[in-house]
Amino acid sequence: KQEVTQIPAALSVPEGENLVLNCSFTDSAIYNLQWFRQDPGKGLTSLLLIQSSQREQTSGRLNASLDKSSGRSTLYIAASQPGDSATYLCAVSRGTSYGKLTFGQGTILTVHP
Amino acid sequence: DTGVSQDPRHKITKRGQNVTFRCDPISEHNRLYWYRQTLGQGPEFLTYFQNEAQLEKSRLLSDRFSAERPKGSFSTLEIQRTEQGDSAMYLCASSPPDPKEGNTIYFGEGSWLTVV
Repeated sequence: KQEVTQIPAALSVPEGENLVLNCSFTDSAIYNLQWFRQDPGKGLTSLLLIQSSQREQTSGRLNASLDKSSGRSTLYIAASQPGDSATYLCAVSRGTSYGKLTFGQGTILTVHP
Repeated sequence: DTGVSQDPRHKITKRGQNVTFRCDPISEHNRLYWYRQTLGQGPEFLTYFQNEAQLEKSRLLSDRFSAERPKGSFSTLEIQRTEQGDSAMYLCASSPPDPKEGNTIYFGEGSWLTVV
């Protein structure tokens, strides 16, 4: 059974810092890995999708890497802003159904001015 | 494109009552998913549909839960004889038939259920 773990559970940083969120998964037979953002009481927004054949993806200040063999992914956020405060969730897809995902428990990020 | 719509957003019900949630996916998306999320946890997969066919159900989906997607458009998730342990946010998501790089799945805002 696939298990996804995210470290740290919570992170508080001052504005402007670069930061790294970590995700690990137990079964390396994944189809893709996604990072999502969730604001309090809201649904999820997809940030980055990395296919199993890829090593990284970038969008603006976000960069996600994937090391399938070691079962790890990182989400790097550059020059953090208070608007980045949210819960960040990592999820892996087992098959070609993109939406059938196994999620980690999330990292709660607070960026204070 | 108005996104994935869920209704109601909040529901408080007494233990033992039945509740039904509705999800309207993005119009051209043929795949629809239901997830459950409790406080401090990531979402857990419940079930998914391709068009009107329910292709997979998680073991989390006890026989008190039933989901339908008549005509392959909107979907409903019904919980019968609710228990306090059913209190959670129920998330619906949809994805297109030919996902491209980038966004492959779109989530609704969720339906909060509180069983008292």
